Amino acid sequence: GDSVTQMEGPVTLSEEAFLTINCTYTATGYPSLFWYVQYPGEGLQLLLKATKADDKGSNKGFEATYRKETTSFHLEKGSVQVSDSAVYFCALSDSDDYKLSFGAGTTVTVRA
Amino acid sequence: NAGVMQNPRHLVRRRGQEARLRCSPMKGHSHVYWYRQLPEEGLKFMVYLQKENIIDESGMPKERFSAEFPKEGPSILRIQQVVRGDSAAYFCASSPRGTSGNNEQFFGPGTRLTVL
Repeated sequence: GDSVTQMEGPVTLSEEAFLTINCTYTATGYPSLFWYVQYPGEGLQLLLKATKADDKGSNKGFEATYRKETTSFHLEKGSVQVSDSAVYFCALSDSDDYKLSFGAGTTVTVRA
Repeated sequence: NAGVMQNPRHLVRRRGQEARLRCSPMKGHSHVYWYRQLPEEGLKFMVYLQKENIIDESGMPKERFSAEFPKEGPSILRIQQVVRGDSAAYFCASSPRGTSGNNEQFFGPGTRLTVL
């Protein structure tokens, strides 16, 4: 079945540091890939997505590129802020499927 | 426009009791999904409902769990005779349309169930 493996946390960074969260996936078809973010006390929000190989999703300074050859969708941000402190989830859905499969989440804490 | 609402946010039950979790989708959304997150794991799909219909319950445990989305009112996830292994965070999501993973699902803040 489909599955997502993402980098274990927690991750603690200083402001303006570079952030990378690794995500790899296993899927039978051609999935769409997502990054969701959960800020403290809130629901999951879609951060970015990519629907086919070599697509790059980007939002709020975050980027991730759909790499079919390495089955990866790593999340990056060049300069994090304290407000980026949250839990980040990598997810996929097979084409035409409403079921999202999530990784376990990575807790990121950014210190001033 | 209010987001997806879930209540209660925290629920404590003793073994053998019933747990009822409520989800009000975003205005205009008629498709609801429930996910469960066990400790140290990712969210897992449980069930997909439209108004008055269960579309896919393939992720739901066969016993003790049920879900409904009535014509009026919130969607309810019911867990009967809870056991400690039911302790988890339960997330609800809604979307304006159902099919295709490209259709964004909007998530609620979750209900954290603790079974003593």
